[in-house]
Amino acid sequence: AQTVTQSQPEMSVQEAETVTLSCTYDTSESDYYLFWYKQPPSRQMILVIRQEAYKQQNATENRFSVNFQKAAKSFSLKISDSQLGDAAMYFCAYRSAWDTGNQFYFGTGTSLTVIP
Amino acid sequence: ETGVTQTPRHLVMGMTNKKSLKCEQHLGHNAMYWYKQSAKKPLELMFVYNFKEQTENNSVPSRFSPECPNSSHLFLHLHTLQPEDSALYLCASSQGTASGQDTQYFGPGTRLTVL
Repeated sequence: AQTVTQSQPEMSVQEAETVTLSCTYDTSESDYYLFWYKQPPSRQMILVIRQEAYKQQNATENRFSVNFQKAAKSFSLKISDSQLGDAAMYFCAYRSAWDTGNQFYFGTGTSLTVIP
Repeated sequence: ETGVTQTPRHLVMGMTNKKSLKCEQHLGHNAMYWYKQSAKKPLELMFVYNFKEQTENNSVPSRFSPECPNSSHLFLHLHTLQPEDSALYLCASSQGTASGQDTQYFGPGTRLTVL
């Protein structure tokens, strides 16, 4: 099974500042998909951003962008102009392009606190 | 209602009880999933259904029994659980299981406590 590692259990950022959450993964495959999900306190998990491994261009979604380094197997999430509503658990996930069961492998999450 | 809904949101049960968790998706998706979320551990995929057929069972103990009567509804039947089964149980759905249909949409979860 693939392993996804989020080495920062907790992070904090000042409102309006930028923060980067790290994620690394272990795979021998060349074709896969990577995801960042956000889980606010007591609310459901929502997709933040999706990256296709065969695309060199980093995915962006408004204030959220990723730094995808395929050779390093690194997939970090940058949040710009942080807002109070960004406070949540953030999970990185991996999916093999060859998996017919759509199995996601998740990291243990990073808890982000936004300081007003 | 929109998205993925789960009931109940909280459940406390004894080890000898039988209970069921319900999930309903209003997205027109064909695939549904059960996950177990425990503190400081990665989400654990339990079951996958695609077009009502179970396609994955990740070595889940038989005290957890899934049921998928149609593409919109998913149940998790629970019996003789153990205290270590206490966790947040998340349901998710996706358009399908193939690449390009893979984004999973999650429900709010059922917080289960086993006494």
